Parts: sequence; C-alpha cells; structure tokens
Amino acid sequence: DAGVIQSPRHEVTEMGQEVTLRCKPISGHNSLFWYRQTMMRGLELLIYFNNNVPIDDSGMPEDRFSAKMPNASFSTLKIQPSEPRDSAVYFCASSGGQGTFNSYNEQFFGPGTRLTVL
Amino acid sequence: DAKTTQPNSMESNEEEPVHLPCNHSTISGTDYIHWYRQLPSQGPEYVIHGLTSNVNNRMASLAIAEDRKSSTLILHRATLRDAAVYYCILNAGNNRKLIWGLGTSLAVNP
Repeated sequence: DAGVIQSPRHEVTEMGQEVTLRCKPISGHNSLFWYRQTMMRGLELLIYFNNNVPIDDSGMPEDRFSAKMPNASFSTLKIQPSEPRDSAVYFCASSGGQGTFNSYNEQFFGPGTRLTVL
Repeated sequence: DAKTTQPNSMESNEEEPVHLPCNHSTISGTDYIHWYRQLPSQGPEYVIHGLTSNVNNRMASLAIAEDRKSSTLILHRATLRDAAVYYCILNAGNNRKLIWGLGTSLAVNP
C-alpha cells in the first residue's frame, strides 16, 4: 500500500492567490482528516470526513478555507484568498475499516504539504 | 475530550531505556490512551494504545497506572531514530477525533 498521498509537497504562493491541497487516503479507509501544524499552535484538526461526509469542521479557521471529499479516494483543501498567516504544514490522515480497534481508530498520516504564502 | 500533560522535552542516551510520562487526571472510563510520535519533517505515526492493562508491541510498551490518571511510554533501548516528538492523546473509542497537545520532544544522544 502506498500510504496516504498528498500533493503538492511544497507550495509557495503570493498573498491573495488560491491554493488547493490534495489528498488520496489509504484504500478502504472511511475517515479522512485535514490538519494544520505550526510551531506556535502545534497540530490542529481542521476538518474530518466520515464516508465522504464532513462530520466536524469546527477547526476550519474562517470562510477562506473549504474542504471537499467528492469520493472515497480523493479530498481537497482550498484556501481562497490565501494570507501569510496561512503558512504552515498541512497534513492529511486517514483511518477506519472493519475489524480491530487499531484499524478503526489508528490514523495514518501523509507526508504533508509545506505551504508558504508571501 | 480530557486533557493530557507532558513534559516539553526529555533527553536520553542511545541504547538506554526511556520513560516518557503523561498525566491525564480527568480521564473518563471510556477514554483510550494513544501515543503517536512525529519524526523530523514527517507526519505523525501511531506508536501504541491501551485502555486499562499494560500493552507491548514491537515499538514500545505502555504502562498505565492503576487509577488510569497517568501513563508511561517506555522505549526499551533508545536509538538515534527514536528522536522525535511524542504525543499522548486521550480518545473515546467511538470518536475518531484526536485532540493533540504539544507533546514531548525527545533528544537521543549518541
């Protein structure tokens, strides 16, 4: 299994531009999580989906952020317009499946996208 | 979700055991104790989890206090590759949402 795949790995953009981050979860997982990590705030959950449906988006900072999961194998996190304070590493993680507790709750993380907004 | 408290940083020597503490005095009866770690420039990875009994796996051991208000992650022989930030997280078994603290940054000296 290739694990969770994120693209791009690095993104540098200018303030005001639209940014789209992409994630492919592990096949068979039915939960998907978007996180943001900064030195000051640590790892913050932005939103998570269960069976492609958004369950909790209370961590989404503001209306500039939006996330979609059109099918079980793809999700996007969009920032429009981007601002310098959005600079961070964005992680996607997936979990879920039938059977043991581990397969239900253990989260598998992608390598992250390092976003820099100038 | 109940909160956990961990030291900001710890240091160890290579090939020595490491005991990483976590306090969770407000833990509820349905909360599992999870440990993840984050190696430099990588996403977090699962280490171990438990409910009441001590647990062992190929990566580490988890010792849970009898009153469940604290736990200790044990790395039996630290290697340089174990240098990472270690997170202790409480999570109710039916809730997939994990609330992350700042963790313990472990340095391993050669």
